[in-house]
This record gives sequence, structure tokens and C-alpha cells, in this order.
Amino acid sequence: DGGITQSPKYLFRKEGQNVTLSCEQNLNHDAMYWYRQDPGQGLRLIYYSQIVNDFQKGDIAEGYSVSREKKESFPLTVTSAQKNPTAFYLCASSKAAILDPYEQYFGPGTRLTVT
Amino acid sequence: QKEVEQNSGPLSVPEGAIASLNCTYSDRGSQSFFWYRQYSGKSPELIMSIYSNGDKEDGRFTAQLNKASQYVSLLIRDSQPSDSATYLCAVSFVGFQKLVFGTGTRLLVSP
Repeated sequence: DGGITQSPKYLFRKEGQNVTLSCEQNLNHDAMYWYRQDPGQGLRLIYYSQIVNDFQKGDIAEGYSVSREKKESFPLTVTSAQKNPTAFYLCASSKAAILDPYEQYFGPGTRLTVT
Repeated sequence: QKEVEQNSGPLSVPEGAIASLNCTYSDRGSQSFFWYRQYSGKSPELIMSIYSNGDKEDGRFTAQLNKASQYVSLLIRDSQPSDSATYLCAVSFVGFQKLVFGTGTRLLVSP
């Protein structure tokens, strides 16, 4: 089955610790995205990547880092510099966007709680 | 400022009725429009995409696009309690290789 997997589903960390969220896709999509969703709010773009070894900051990149060493994988690290890391993190993928974005498909999400 | 506006709701409709969800956007040059359904605690699921003015139907769902008015809507016919969810509108903006999402409209379908 083709799809996007995110792990873990729930993650608990102490303040001051870095944490890495996993995202893997087997849809053969070139583009991958990380979003954050807070209660009652829309999706906010953290980082995106259109091709391996290249990625761009989204609207709220501060306190986050990513890598794109393989087409299938786009891990997100939430660093201790992120002031309010508790949120629902969503990974998505799509065909590469040359001019306009294609449909994006989402993984099941990781709910991160930092205390 | 790239903006996508949706009424947060909740929009309450009885079972069997037509639910009408609306979305406006700020960029007249936008080309691609998407509707996602998100159940509470779950990730968004793509249900419709539309690229040209007019209507696009898929089962009980119809997306309507009016680029002149910068308006896209989603109609759900014969609404079911299982349609109760938050519906997110997403729009592409010219020159940006990414989507901008609205905050979503919560739909409640009562039996």
C-alpha cells in the first residue's frame, strides 16, 4: 500500500530537549512538507522540500530543522529553541510543484507534548 | 498577504440536507484549489480539487469555483452524521510552491 507514515503517534519530551519526528513516504513523490496545527487553528507550514538535498523555510521555521537525504524521508527536528513546541505535527507529500502545487497527501500526524 | 478565509462555524445541518461550505481567497491569480476533511484528532484527507471555473462533482460532493469573485465552495448533498468534521480549504498562490490553508469550517450533521 502506498502512503505516508509518521512516527511516533504520540511523543512526550521535557523542555530543553531536542526531538526528531519521522516522516516516510512510498508514493514516489518528489515534494514533502511539514506543517504544525494548534487547537482551533489552521495548518502552518514549517519547512518544505521539492527535491533531495534541498529544502526551504516555510512561515514558521524558527526553532525547527530538517534534512532531505533520501526521496522517501523528511525528518523534522524540534529544537530547544522552539518556544511553544507542543502541537500536532503533520507531514505531507505531493508531486513536485514547478509552478503550482499539486494535491498534497498527509500522514497520520505526530502529537508532541513538551512539559 | 496571502489569505484564505473560512467561517469557523459550526455549521449545523440535519441529516439528508445539503451542506454548503464557503471559502474566499485574496489572490486573483490563484490556480489550484483543494478541499480537505479533517476528523477530530486525525490528519486532513483530500476530498476534492478544482482548477477551472464552474462545478466539479464527485459522488455527494460538488466543488464550485468562481475566480472572478475569488470564491470557492463545497456542497455536500444528502449529508450524513459521518460527514461531521472540519473542512479545510487550501489555495495555491501565484509564484509560491506551496498551499495556504484556511482555518476550517466545522460541520455538524444531526441525525
